[in-house]
Amino acid sequence: GAGVSQTPSNKVTEKGKYVELRCDPISGHTALYWYRQSLGQGPEFLIYFQGTGAADDSGLPNDRFFAVRPEGSVSTLKIQRTERGDSAVYLCASSLGLAWTDTQYFGPGTRLTVL
Amino acid sequence: DAKTTQPTSMDCAEGRAANLPCNHSTISGNEYVYWYRQIHSQGPQYIIHGLKNNETNEMASLIITEDRKSSTLILPHATLRDTAVYYCIVRVGGAGDGGSNYKLTFGKGTLLTVNP
Repeated sequence: GAGVSQTPSNKVTEKGKYVELRCDPISGHTALYWYRQSLGQGPEFLIYFQGTGAADDSGLPNDRFFAVRPEGSVSTLKIQRTERGDSAVYLCASSLGLAWTDTQYFGPGTRLTVL
Repeated sequence: DAKTTQPTSMDCAEGRAANLPCNHSTISGNEYVYWYRQIHSQGPQYIIHGLKNNETNEMASLIITEDRKSSTLILPHATLRDTAVYYCIVRVGGAGDGGSNYKLTFGKGTLLTVNP
């Protein structure tokens, strides 16, 4: 079946602009996660959703970052007033539920470059 | 979650077994050892996990020492497609606190290069 998809695959923007990154989870998966990966580092947790609600957003670096999942499926990560330090690969993952045995399946990521 | 330590990089000849070590000396009794890998330009991929018994699946074997302070991921017959960064992650399992259970905390991992 289809895996987690993310669009766009690459996004180049200018400092100060607003961007939206989209994640389509695996059909039927209720839990959705966002991670950020800087060059040479492992992925870093940002936020996760159970259904429509953000259950833990403790990893969001500041209030310029916001994520939504209005219908409990597709999620959008929104970044306002982008800064050069926001440049990274943004990864989305989904899992069937929140049981600790539920594997997180990752998408290919969106590479964001802020000029 | 307990901290893990992995070598920065390793090399392996194609067709040979790749043995990737991980130290997790502060692991707690309810923490599991997970392994993920990330092939270049892809998202991380789940490989295997275990608590204290050795585990095997179609991708790999996981050997956990009796004191649980270290583990080894074994790819029995490495291929060029196994070249990737391998992450060892320690994570609370079972009926945990309901919050941090769900995060995966990645370190820098081990870059495994399989050579022809």
